[in-house]
Amino acid sequence: SQQGEEDPQALSIQEGENATMNCSYKTSINNLQWYRQNSGRGLVHLILIRSNEREKHSGRLRVTLDTSKKSSSLLITASRAADTASYFCATDASGGSYIPTFGRGTSLIVHP
Amino acid sequence: ETGVTQTPRHLVMGMTNKKSLKCEQHLGHNAMYWYKQSAKKPLELMFVYSLEERVENNSVPSRFSPECPNSSHLFLHLHTLQPEDSALYLCASSQRTGPTEAFFGQGTRLTVV
Repeated sequence: SQQGEEDPQALSIQEGENATMNCSYKTSINNLQWYRQNSGRGLVHLILIRSNEREKHSGRLRVTLDTSKKSSSLLITASRAADTASYFCATDASGGSYIPTFGRGTSLIVHP
Repeated sequence: ETGVTQTPRHLVMGMTNKKSLKCEQHLGHNAMYWYKQSAKKPLELMFVYSLEERVENNSVPSRFSPECPNSSHLFLHLHTLQPEDSALYLCASSQRTGPTEAFFGQGTRLTVV
């Protein structure tokens, strides 16, 4: 199984600004998911985008997927201090395994 | 609450001890996972059980021994661990019939002394 790699590793912004995180992967995928993790806690699912979709929205979140570049981005608009967390992308290789594998994550700090 | 419960939340054990981590899900999922999260490393998939059968084992040392007695429960038995095994151990569950989200427990923070 393969894993996505998030970029940047760390991101520090002011409240109200937008935060953009990227994810790159190596092989074909069924879908790509983004998760959030507050310090020392479990991961919480944010959004899933299928390989035949290009963009998806959920509240202040916008996810794009470019399968030709094997990359995805997560945009958080009008960030809040409560958005401070680590964000992970998870991929599962095409072929029906549906086993999510994760990267190192992006650590986001939003300053009030 | 995510519907996945892990116990204990914190565990300190000596290198000669034997302990077990427990995970329980009430979501009707047919797959359960153990992940290991160490500082500055990718979230590492350890074991996958689907319909109570182990379907993946990412070359995890034998001092970690999983058990899945039914579709709602998953254990990770630990024995003669090393200090480098100290990490956050996360359990997750999902429905493996299609691309759906995984639900995670809050994790067990393990410290090996």
